[in-house]
Amino acid sequence: GQNIDQPTEMTATEGAIVQINCTYQTSGFNGLFWYQQHAGEAPTFLSYNVLDGLEEKGRFSSFLSRSKGYSYLLLKELQMKDSASYLCAALDSNYQLIWGAGTKLIIKP
Amino acid sequence: GAVVSQHPSRVICKSGTSVKIECRSLDFQATTMFWYRQFPKKSLMLMATSNEGSKATYEQGVEKDKFLINHASLTLSTLTVTSAHPEDSSFYICSASPGQFSYNEQFFGPGTRLTVL
Repeated sequence: GQNIDQPTEMTATEGAIVQINCTYQTSGFNGLFWYQQHAGEAPTFLSYNVLDGLEEKGRFSSFLSRSKGYSYLLLKELQMKDSASYLCAALDSNYQLIWGAGTKLIIKP
Repeated sequence: GAVVSQHPSRVICKSGTSVKIECRSLDFQATTMFWYRQFPKKSLMLMATSNEGSKATYEQGVEKDKFLINHASLTLSTLTVTSAHPEDSSFYICSASPGQFSYNEQFFGPGTRLTVL
């Protein structure tokens, strides 16, 4: 079956760095997305990786290893507004998005 | 960035009534629109995928007679929850994509919180 695993909850301190991991098992693979979702709101797009390596976009970076079925989202210089759920989603061979359950990130002062 | 609107943002209705939710792409043409529902502290669950001018493709376990989807134009899709019951209470989110496949970035609407009494 198809599966996405990511931690349920993480806590970090304002100003610090946090890495949210995601492993995936899909029938075929056409890329991996990260989305941010604040409570009660719809997800917003953060990143899309289809090639191995690190993609940096401001304070956020996303990494992909296709051979390991692994990705992470790295958040630097954490701000209180970064408190949200972070959803990992993989695109399978049929171009269907397989969603993880999300990682709730709690930022403490 | 591309903007997707959803209306209404919140709706409370009595059991047995039907509720229509609109999803609009405001500044681009959405070849494909997706409808999701999300339970508290759970991930998004894809309900159906619709392409403009054709019938929606429903995910396994989603009743198409219960959740009517119409994608009449490239900027509008509607989801009608027919004869709503309390178990239909959920957060419904639409997303729109300019491409035919979901590997194109999906732009999400703000969501509609449905409460059925």
